[in-house]
Amino acid sequence: DSGVTQTPKHLITATGQRVTLRCSPRSGDLSVYWYQQSLDQGLQFLIQYYNGEERAKGNILERFSAQQFPDLHSELNLSSLELGDSALYFCASSPRPTGPTDTQYFGPGTRLTVL
Amino acid sequence: GDSVTQMEGPVTLSEEAFLTINCTYTATGYPSLFWYVQYPGEGLQLLLKATKADDKGSNKGFEATYRKETTSFHLEKGSVQVSDSAVYFCALRDSIQGAQKLVFGQGTRLTINP
Repeated sequence: DSGVTQTPKHLITATGQRVTLRCSPRSGDLSVYWYQQSLDQGLQFLIQYYNGEERAKGNILERFSAQQFPDLHSELNLSSLELGDSALYFCASSPRPTGPTDTQYFGPGTRLTVL
Repeated sequence: GDSVTQMEGPVTLSEEAFLTINCTYTATGYPSLFWYVQYPGEGLQLLLKATKADDKGSNKGFEATYRKETTSFHLEKGSVQVSDSAVYFCALRDSIQGAQKLVFGQGTRLTINP
């Protein structure tokens, strides 16, 4: 158990809908990362937050957005869903955004299925 | 941009066989290198890491050495077990200021038969 929690574990929805994925980082970690794992794109970085502020952006679609709240949990919002958004979404956390020895600890993921 | 290339899978071995999963990388700075493992139905777990050239990461009988001259970080284990069956991901994190994201290889599925 990494200490990173994600809810829900599974999500099934229809095209055009909007969903919210939630992540709670390990106790004491200030940085949260979101990754998408799909069959065709592999594991890709989406976005990073540190202490409530956006820190880095990767291949995140404009239909997707995220935020980190004062209690440090984070939410990833996916809207106008398409079939191709079906994937496993991972959240990871680390103590801080810099440091060569820092490790990112991953949650169990949320499996999103868009029908 | 940064990239990681892993040997294509799937890889199927018999128990107690020697394992090598090749990983090479391209990076603009001096990256830290990682191996993550994903067991069926679970998230990613850090297996081992190395933060500078010639460092050797090791854990649970697995080893990988950071080779700057060949830009490689191959994963090895001397005697695999059925419980090692999983998907293995090689990843890097560049040292450039602010570059905190992990860049992953495509993953190698390993199956160990008894």
